[in-house]
Amino acid sequence: DADVTQTPRNRITKTGKRIMLECSQTKGHDRMYWYRQDPGLGLRLIYYSFDVKDINKGEISDGYSVSRQAQAKFSLSLESAIPNQTALYFCATSPTPGQGGFYGYTFGSGTRLTVV
Amino acid sequence: DQQVKQNSPSLSVQEGRISILNCDYTNSMFDYFLWYKKYPAEGPTFLISISSIKDKNEDGRFTVFLNKSAKHLSLHIVPSQPGDSAVYFCAASDSGAGSYQLTFGKGTKLSVIP
Repeated sequence: DADVTQTPRNRITKTGKRIMLECSQTKGHDRMYWYRQDPGLGLRLIYYSFDVKDINKGEISDGYSVSRQAQAKFSLSLESAIPNQTALYFCATSPTPGQGGFYGYTFGSGTRLTVV
Repeated sequence: DQQVKQNSPSLSVQEGRISILNCDYTNSMFDYFLWYKKYPAEGPTFLISISSIKDKNEDGRFTVFLNKSAKHLSLHIVPSQPGDSAVYFCAASDSGAGSYQLTFGKGTKLSVIP
């Protein structure tokens, strides 16, 4: 099983619909992140969470919300999807620095979301 | 403002030759740098990193060089192989800020031609 699992892998939804993307991890990491990737724009941070009670906005949080249900689960919601939210979405995890140092992020395989 | 810049969207290299991917940063507080590799339909995977206390880190065919005065780092792949064809992201972190969050560049697509 993958260390970081994202569901669904692909989703097509209609404008105005609510959709949830889910992420679960078996790494035991405290920190979790949601990024979106758009062609030519790289990876942009949507939200991040350093533990279950700590959730923070990233650079492009408008139109999104998140829920950290447990240490291992971090979901991303689009309350009312719009076409410019069509993108590839990645969940990532990282250990808290100090637990063996800083080793960057472990990413899931991504969710390709299309809003029509 | 982009704090991490990868100015070459794409790069083509012959198999067996050297690939050099470049990355520039503007935030002088960045002290930890990473390269990630991404294949289509997969998530980015960690490739190699370097701390600001070093100017070079080598791992097999991959070497990262850091020039702090120029705020520039580069990834060298020698020899390049067709399986190296992927998008490469440069990322940087400010450990002093305590968050260790990564800021990513836009990526460079490497194509290694057999």
